[in-house]
Amino acid sequence: KAGVTQTPRYLIKTRGQQVTLSCSPISGHRSVSWYQQTPGQGLQFLFEYFSETQRNKGNFPGRFSGRQFSNSRSEMNVSTLELGDSALYLCASSLDSWEKLFFGSGTQLSVL
Amino acid sequence: QQQVKQSPQSLIVQKGGISIINCAYENTAFDYFPWYQQFPGKGPALLIAIRPDVSEKKEGRFTISFNKSAKQFSLHIMDSQPGDSATYFCAASEEGAGKSTFGDGTTLTVKP
Repeated sequence: KAGVTQTPRYLIKTRGQQVTLSCSPISGHRSVSWYQQTPGQGLQFLFEYFSETQRNKGNFPGRFSGRQFSNSRSEMNVSTLELGDSALYLCASSLDSWEKLFFGSGTQLSVL
Repeated sequence: QQQVKQSPQSLIVQKGGISIINCAYENTAFDYFPWYQQFPGKGPALLIAIRPDVSEKKEGRFTISFNKSAKQFSLHIMDSQPGDSATYFCAASEEGAGKSTFGDGTTLTVKP
């Protein structure tokens, strides 16, 4: 079974721009969660989608949004980028989000 | 009350030694406690997990010890190998909450 695929692997943007990250979950997994990983804050939960519906949301500003498509693929969007948004963004898929998470390799976002 | 505290931040062990990483939680509603292993450039990968109705779980060289009354759990790596050098995260989740709460991570270095 193919693992979780995240694209792109690296992104460099400037402040004020917008970015979209993509995640393809493991086949059969309907839950997709997004996490932000930074050296200072560890892994922080952004949001979780299940069957195209956002079920849970973390404590991030409204500039962070996401969606899930009928094939379970998910996208995450960050608008009006700030320097502090520089981080590794990880997508995780699971059968149900509170149990075993299978992570992708992440998208490393650098905001200049 | 969602916090999971992990220690130590870094750990150096000789090859063949025992590595021990500890975590403490506050939310008594947590009912799933996984450990993830992360290598540079990769996303975290599930290593081993335990539920609170069990005090210990062993898989190969990896053991989780769980103390429900103390709200603590720990990862023991027996016969540590240089290939075990990675960052380890403990996590906790609650059925229906839709997210995992992660510790800040422990960087393990196993010296040959």
